Amino acid sequence: EPEVTQTPSHQVTQMGQEVILRCVPISNHLYFYWYRQILGQKVEFLVSFYNNEISEKSEIFDDQFSVERPDGSNFTLKIRSTKLEDSAMYFCASSAGTGTEAFFGQGTRLTVV
Amino acid sequence: RKEVEQDPGPFNVPEGATVAFNCTYSNSASQSFFWYRQDCRKEPKLLMSVYSSGNEDGRFTAQLNRASQYISLLIRDSKLSDSATYLCVVTGSSYKLIFGSGTRLLVRP
Repeated sequence: EPEVTQTPSHQVTQMGQEVILRCVPISNHLYFYWYRQILGQKVEFLVSFYNNEISEKSEIFDDQFSVERPDGSNFTLKIRSTKLEDSAMYFCASSAGTGTEAFFGQGTRLTVV
Repeated sequence: RKEVEQDPGPFNVPEGATVAFNCTYSNSASQSFFWYRQDCRKEPKLLMSVYSSGNEDGRFTAQLNRASQYISLLIRDSKLSDSATYLCVVTGSSYKLIFGSGTRLLVRP
């Protein structure tokens, strides 16, 4: 069964450092997303990506964040200068079309110290 | 008003019980509706889509009431393995998924 894969599973970084979280969406999917979940809180939308450009971003997705699809398979989330409050689980998701179900990767747990 | 509201629970039920979760959403333009389940510190996993006519998948039944902007999930014959957090999810503008905070279910032996 096709699945979304994310690497690394856990990343510890110092405040102010840059991190790149990587995702390989399901191969025939066209819509890609990043979500985050702070421990004990709900899953929050960060950004959606279609046709090589951002289609929507939330207020959380400020200038410190960027996304990229550098090749035909990878989808990355970069945080330029991490803050303590960026500590969370980051989930990548993909879907085949608008309004269809999205499938999630297993997540990257980011810890900023 | 929150975009998607759920009772956080926990619902603590014995094995074999029937349990129902409800959810309300604020955006009348929402087009697609889903129930996901999430185990502790894991990713959300699709449980089922929710259709206007209602739909059933084994022990699980989902209902949608567009007029009241209300979604429900019924679980019959609860199993220990059903213990998880159940997430009500609706689509918003540009079809992003908007998650409720989840309802926690504990099924006891």
